[in-house]
Amino acid sequence: SQQGEEDPQALSIQEGENATMNCSYKTSINNLQWYRQNSGRGLVHLILIRSNEREKHSGRLRVTLDTSKKSSSLLITASRAADTASYFCATPPGGSNYKLTFGKGTLLTVNP
Amino acid sequence: GAGVSQTPSNKVTEKGKYVELRCDPISGHTALYWYRQSLGQGPEFLIYFQGTGAADDSGLPNDRFFAVRPEGSVSTLKIQRTERGDSAVYLCASSQLGGGTDTEAFFGQGTRLTVV
Repeated sequence: SQQGEEDPQALSIQEGENATMNCSYKTSINNLQWYRQNSGRGLVHLILIRSNEREKHSGRLRVTLDTSKKSSSLLITASRAADTASYFCATPPGGSNYKLTFGKGTLLTVNP
Repeated sequence: GAGVSQTPSNKVTEKGKYVELRCDPISGHTALYWYRQSLGQGPEFLIYFQGTGAADDSGLPNDRFFAVRPEGSVSTLKIQRTERGDSAVYLCASSQLGGGTDTEAFFGQGTRLTVV
């Protein structure tokens, strides 16, 4: 079963614009992770935010976590064509730190 | 190696055949995971190894699926009597530590299995 659900399912923007993707989850979590996937193959870990953190930055990425709403957002600033990919949030359900449960992902297209 | 290596990258097999998918984790990583990803979906957990033992195989869909990691490094996912519904990308990941820590998982490029 899917724990995380990303929104929107697809997002198309112009290079230089910001992209925001949201993730909602159902059960309590220890942390939430965002991954990127190019061309339906290997996933690349982007950022991990712990349940006691509210915001985290990594380069052009900004992640927020609202445990009261069971939601997270991923902001990519100053997007580039190379950011075109599918983005997934993943959570290990409460009590587990290994069994990542992924949503269906957001397909981001950045047009040059 | 530099990353998680999966072989083959693509596998086409006939319905009813047996297949083996191989995963070479990052050297020194004790935790190893298998996931399956169908088209348009996110990866779904299959099995987790801590060292040589399967710590959690609750995601294996049925008894046609089996995985081993005999020496705590390379793992093989085995599928018997393949069905067309088994067609998917099979992803392997490894991490330095598992269970009880917040740890990043490193994924391989996956094996695309097509059952015809």
